Amino acid sequence: ELKVEQNPLFLSMQEGKNYTIYCNYSTTSDRLYWYRQDPGKSLESLFVLLSNGAVKQEGRLMASLDTKARLSTLHITAAVHDLSATYFCAVVINSNYQLIWGAGTKLIIKP
Amino acid sequence: GAGVSQSPSNKVTEKGKDVELRCDPISGHTALYWYRQRLGQGLEFLIYFQGNSAPDKSGLPSDRFSAERTGESVSTLTIQRTQQEDSAVYLCASSLQAAMNTEAFFGQGTRLTVV
Repeated sequence: ELKVEQNPLFLSMQEGKNYTIYCNYSTTSDRLYWYRQDPGKSLESLFVLLSNGAVKQEGRLMASLDTKARLSTLHITAAVHDLSATYFCAVVINSNYQLIWGAGTKLIIKP
Repeated sequence: GAGVSQSPSNKVTEKGKDVELRCDPISGHTALYWYRQRLGQGLEFLIYFQGNSAPDKSGLPSDRFSAERTGESVSTLTIQRTQQEDSAVYLCASSLQAAMNTEAFFGQGTRLTVV
């Protein structure tokens, strides 16, 4: 069964702290996406990771991909309140390019 | 427009009525997805269209749900005899689906409320 699992599903943290969200997947894929969703809004693309060892950074967010471990991480450095959102990872099934989604991680950053 | 467009943005309907939701994908995008998102929940896959291939309907929750897409253009999601549990935001996304680019772009969604 194809699965994409995120953990934690919910995270409450203080501003200024660091934390990591994990995305494990069960099928071979060399392409992974991270998206952000603000309450009541649609999904916004954050990162596209296209190969093993890929690392992308944007501001306080850094995403990495290990295709051998079938694991991606989204690291938050010195969190600020504006990063409060739900974060989704999605993996491409190579055979037909279909996206399979994790359940999302709801991140609340308290000022 | 340049993005994925969905209509209506909000729909309130009475239980038992049929509703039709529309999605205009980004021009040139061969792949189109429909998802359902209940309040505070993740994305629930409904259906996937890819070019002229047979759609992946494995996510449709019941035979009351159906979707069509004409070529690589507009898609409609139809829910017949709506039930209260159908209340959710219905999101549409499209992507280029070329070998090197499968990033999906989402519409703003249709918020369906069944009363």
